[in-house]
Parts: sequence; structure tokens; C-alpha cells
Amino acid sequence: AAGVIQSPRHLIKEKRETATLKCYPIPRHDTVYWYQQGPGQDPQFLISFYEKMQSDKGSIPDRFSAQQFSDYHSELNMSSLELGDSALYFCASSLGTGHSPLHFGNGTRLTVT
Amino acid sequence: AQSVTQLGSHVSVSEGALVLLRCNYSSSVPPYLFWYVQYPNQGLQLLLKYTSAATLVKGINGFEAEFKKSETSFHLTKPSAHMSDAAEYFCAVSEKVEAQKLVFGQGTRLTINP
Repeated sequence: AAGVIQSPRHLIKEKRETATLKCYPIPRHDTVYWYQQGPGQDPQFLISFYEKMQSDKGSIPDRFSAQQFSDYHSELNMSSLELGDSALYFCASSLGTGHSPLHFGNGTRLTVT
Repeated sequence: AQSVTQLGSHVSVSEGALVLLRCNYSSSVPPYLFWYVQYPNQGLQLLLKYTSAATLVKGINGFEAEFKKSETSFHLTKPSAHMSDAAEYFCAVSEKVEAQKLVFGQGTRLTINP
């Protein structure tokens, strides 16, 4: 079965650079969530989208922005990168905003040097 | 605000032994509770979830968890550990009834000794 696809798998950037992470949800899933997992930390919710509209917002820095496109894929844009942004960024998708299960991608590992 | 506490950042058991991973939650509303497993360099995989139906929830790979409201607990168990169970386990609570914004615990790394 198709899963959530995230690209790239690994990304290395320097401080103050920008990065764009992409997430392709499971076909027919209309809801996308972004989580950030720092080294040795639990995943922290960043932001979510339902039907191309932002549905919820967590601890997402103002330097970050995200959107969901008409084909339901989502992109997380990160500017003025800081060392502390180094983390594993997970995308998850679900069908609707009820309690259908979240399906997580394998994540994008961002390293800021 | 809801929160989750996982007791023990590392748990080590022998192959074939009982696995018990502890999770306590704090919530002002009836919670929706989840257990996820994370293998190295992989995403989070749902093991099981509690959504106010049966208090004993059975999941994949032989895991199960029991919701105990009086103890605000949702401990994860497996009768007999297998080497392939070695991974990081996260307990999570859903903060809103209508959304899937999850609040995760700190995680428990499970090691299986041969």
C-alpha cells in the first residue's frame, strides 16, 4: 500500500539558509500534519492542514511557513535556519480531521551547520 | 492542556519475558490515547489506540494496552518479547476530540536481551 512520502530524506544546510521539505500524503488523504523531533526528543506538533486550509497550529516558529496544495501535498518552508532547527521532521496524513489514524512518513533529517 | 508521562526512558527485558511500558496521562476531557513505535531511521507506526470503546485495546505485533481511568494510565504490554520489538515507543494523547494534534510522551527505548 502507498505510504506517506517525504523528500528529501536528508538535508544539510548552513545557518541562515532556507530549506523546503515536501510531503506527499497517502492517496485520498486530505489532512496533513507536520511534527518536529529534535535529537533524543519526543515529536512536537508544528502545524496541520485540512482541505488546503490551516487547521491547527502548534509550536511552529515564525521563520517557518507551510501550505497544502490542490493535490494535497504539503511543503514546509524554513528560513533563516538556526543550529537548533536540526531535527527529524515528520509529516503525517489522515482522512478527515476525526480520529482516523495518522500515517507517518519516514521523515526528513535536517542538519544545520 | 493535556500531557503524557512515560515512566522510564530505557527498559531492558530478556527475549521471551513480559514487556511493560508505562504511560500516564493528564487530561481535562475524555482522552484519546495512542501508542506508536519508531524503529531506527523510520517514521512512527501506530501500534494501537484507545477511543472510548473497550478499555483493553489490542494492537499489532502482539501488543495490547489497558485504559484505566482511575489511575490515568495506558500501559503497553506484550506477554513475550521478541528481538524485533527493540525500538523506541511513544505514548500520545489527542488534545482535541475533533483533531489529530498529538501530544507525545518522552519515549521509552526498549532493548531486548538474547
